[in-house]
Amino acid sequence: DQQVKQNSPSLSVQEGRISILNCDYTNSMFDYFLWYKKYPAEGPTFLISISSIKDKNEDGRFTVFLNKSAKHLSLHIVPSQPGDSAVYFCAASYTNAGKSTFGDGTTLTVKP
Amino acid sequence: DAGVTQSPTHLIKTRGQQVTLRCSPISGHKSVSWYQQVLGQGPQFIFQYYEKEERGRGNFPDRFSARQFPNYSSELNVNALLLGDSALYLCASSLPRTADYNEQFFGPGTRLTVL
Repeated sequence: DQQVKQNSPSLSVQEGRISILNCDYTNSMFDYFLWYKKYPAEGPTFLISISSIKDKNEDGRFTVFLNKSAKHLSLHIVPSQPGDSAVYFCAASYTNAGKSTFGDGTTLTVKP
Repeated sequence: DAGVTQSPTHLIKTRGQQVTLRCSPISGHKSVSWYQQVLGQGPQFIFQYYEKEERGRGNFPDRFSARQFPNYSSELNVNALLLGDSALYLCASSLPRTADYNEQFFGPGTRLTVL
């Protein structure tokens, strides 16, 4: 039973447009959510996170939205750049757990 | 500052053999977690260690074991290797009791191939 799901294996967008990556979770006990980016031959790199007490968190071009009632979160990248092309993992955790449950990732391709 | 380091980078073993993977966390990080990433899937949690004690274990068989040393480095051991153990093994470190404890820093991984 997969507790964190990313239903879109891939997404392609034009440079300068918005990229929206989606993630659903089933365990209502999760209270901390993270997005990681992964390039080939590298480990995942932390991108942005959000606590369940918030519904939005922004960091530059990246914004994460959390809808607790729907158990859904999304990552918005505006504007998208070719360097953003990577695999994006959604992860869920419990506060202060120091470990996460990951989705299977979405491969984002930003075309020049 | 050096990031999380893992060794070896690549490893080829045959079924039934044993393997040891190594990880050095970021300096000052006391928590180390191990993940297995099979091609096309996300990282799956195997173990978490903090202050040399196991703090969590994922749904993996007893063939998988780990330990953490006084310098906070860690080893992951897998016995009686199966073909299905072929994967990228990721080590991640984090700093407990900080606001960003859940943020983990990953190493580049060890690619294990079992023939």
